[in-house]
Amino acid sequence: DAGVIQSPRHEVTEMGQEVTLRCKPISGHNSLFWYRQTMMRGLELLIYFNNNVPIDDSGMPEDRFSAKMPNASFSTLKIQPSEPRDSAVYFCASSATTGLAGGVRETQYFGPGTRLLVL
Amino acid sequence: GENVEQHPSTLSVQEGDSAVIKCTYSDSASNYFPWYKQELGKRPQLIIDIRSNVGEKKDQRIAVTLNKTAKHFSLHITETQPEDSAVYFCAARDSGGGADGLTFGKGTHLIIQP
Repeated sequence: DAGVIQSPRHEVTEMGQEVTLRCKPISGHNSLFWYRQTMMRGLELLIYFNNNVPIDDSGMPEDRFSAKMPNASFSTLKIQPSEPRDSAVYFCASSATTGLAGGVRETQYFGPGTRLLVL
Repeated sequence: GENVEQHPSTLSVQEGDSAVIKCTYSDSASNYFPWYKQELGKRPQLIIDIRSNVGEKKDQRIAVTLNKTAKHFSLHITETQPEDSAVYFCAARDSGGGADGLTFGKGTHLIIQP
């Protein structure tokens, strides 16, 4: 298995531009998570999906951020317009839910991350 | 929501000695506690986890202990080696309330001195 795949790996853009980050979860995983990592704030959960449905987006910092999961194998995180304070590493992670009625939530596996720099 | 505190922020130990990293959490409903290791420029990778129905779990040189009453859990690494140098993150998850996302501690930079 290729693991969680993210693209691009690095992105440099200018303030005000739209940025789209992409993620392909591990095949068969039904939960997908977007995290942001900065030196100041550490690793923060932005949003997560179960079976392609957004469950909790309380971590999304502002309306400039949006995320979609149109199918089980693809998700995007979009920032429009981007600002310098959005510079961070953005990780996507996925996990499976197993057991009776999906009661056991398994390990989250992280992708390699997208290093975003907004100038 | 959940709040996870992690100490120390930096830990330097001699090769071969043991290292202990401690975390506390605030939400008594949390019942899953993973530890991730992150090397410079790499992704966080799970090294061990523990669920709330267990007090201790061990995997070779790594062990995790959980005290639900006190709401704290610890990572123990014995016989440390240079390749253990990395940033370690603890996390907590409340699987009961539908909140699947992990709340992470701020990380501990572990330095193994040769």
